[in-house]
Amino acid sequence: GAGVSQSPSNKVTEKGKDVELRCDPISGHTALYWYRQSLGQGLEFLIYFQGNSAPDKSGLPSDRFSAERTGGSVSTLTIQRTQQEDSAVYLCASSIGGPQETQYFGPGTRLLVL
Amino acid sequence: QKEVEQNSGPLSVPEGAIASLNCTYSDRGSQSFFWYRQYSGKSPELIMFIYSNGDKEDGRFTAQLNKASQYVSLLIRDSQPSDSATYLCAVSEGTGFQKLVFGTGTRLLVSP
Repeated sequence: GAGVSQSPSNKVTEKGKDVELRCDPISGHTALYWYRQSLGQGLEFLIYFQGNSAPDKSGLPSDRFSAERTGGSVSTLTIQRTQQEDSAVYLCASSIGGPQETQYFGPGTRLLVL
Repeated sequence: QKEVEQNSGPLSVPEGAIASLNCTYSDRGSQSFFWYRQYSGKSPELIMFIYSNGDKEDGRFTAQLNKASQYVSLLIRDSQPSDSATYLCAVSEGTGFQKLVFGTGTRLLVSP
């Protein structure tokens, strides 16, 4: 009964570099979400995947951000040409996928762009 | 732009008191309402969810929903120092598969 896992737990990178963040959802969960939480702020929705449907990308802040989900399970969030304002905790959540279903969060990846 | 508003706090209450956390939302179509607790440096964890108008109780926690007023609250009875955390209100955006809009959270401090 593992929960949502994310890797790496911490990432320090230089401005302009690309980073990849990984999320492994709870087994059997068809919905997967990415959020960003900046220091002292609430959670900002980025993108979500539901089964084989086209992902809802409406929260991605710029075209430097992209995400994919392979085989309906693991997801990777990629940030290209990182900027200092990308520094935040990136949280992944998963749910069974039906309406009103609870989202369970992973531990997050703390990204620091120098 | 759908919004969820919370007082940032901190809300300070003595141990044993009732803590009342409030949240208002802008989307009248919202169907699901959640309270998450987030300890410093940790990820959010679900405390309660509520879908229907009225009260829902779970142990020391009671969620209250008033869709007409677009208001949802969380009451914590017999507050404990371990309840000290940030409480995030989350509201579903419309119907169907969930897309949650989060408030910025209320920081609760329970003093011994």
